[in-house]
Amino acid sequence: GENVEQHPSTLSVQEGDSAVIKCTYSDSASNYFPWYKQELGKRPQLIIDIRSNVGEKKDQRIAVTLNKTAKHFSLHITETQPEDSAVYFCAASRDSSASKIIFGSGTRLSIRP
Amino acid sequence: DVKVTQSSRYLVKRTGEKVFLECVQDMDHENMFWYRQDPGLGLRLIYFSYDVKMKEKGDIPEGYSVSREKKERFSLILESASTNQTSMYLCASSSPGLGRTQYFGPGTRLTVL
Repeated sequence: GENVEQHPSTLSVQEGDSAVIKCTYSDSASNYFPWYKQELGKRPQLIIDIRSNVGEKKDQRIAVTLNKTAKHFSLHITETQPEDSAVYFCAASRDSSASKIIFGSGTRLSIRP
Repeated sequence: DVKVTQSSRYLVKRTGEKVFLECVQDMDHENMFWYRQDPGLGLRLIYFSYDVKMKEKGDIPEGYSVSREKKERFSLILESASTNQTSMYLCASSSPGLGRTQYFGPGTRLTVL
């Protein structure tokens, strides 16, 4: 069945350094790749997404890259800050009326002061 | 502002009890979803619905059922709760089509004793 693998499961970086989270997907028909951030005790919220017709998208300190041939995509956070500490989920979806999304297992990112 | 609410934040039930978790959204979204969140396993889809009275099984539907009698309301039912259903349950809603953001509820932490 469809699957999204996410690595690493935990990541600790020094404040100000960059963080990278990687995901691979199995369904070659997937064409939409969102990233959600879940702060401690809160609900997941969309932070950025990318569609299959582009290879990279950037929004201030966060960026996503997509390699459709290799079926993998990544989240890059630069100049990390304490408020970036959270669990991050990647996901993949194909175009369908039901918009079912397959989530990765999550990465717990900790920013060291 | 999109609002997705869930009937309880914390719930404690006994093995064998019938449990109802309710989710309400106020954005007239066609799609609604139920996930369970467990450490290291990410967000796993239990059931989703893309219209009133319509339902589709997700990845882990065993032991659960759902009901969608009104567009704004999506209920998750545990017919006979078991200890392995102790988890965080998250509801989400979205508009139909590709690239539609999923808006999550605050979650219900269910403990089955």
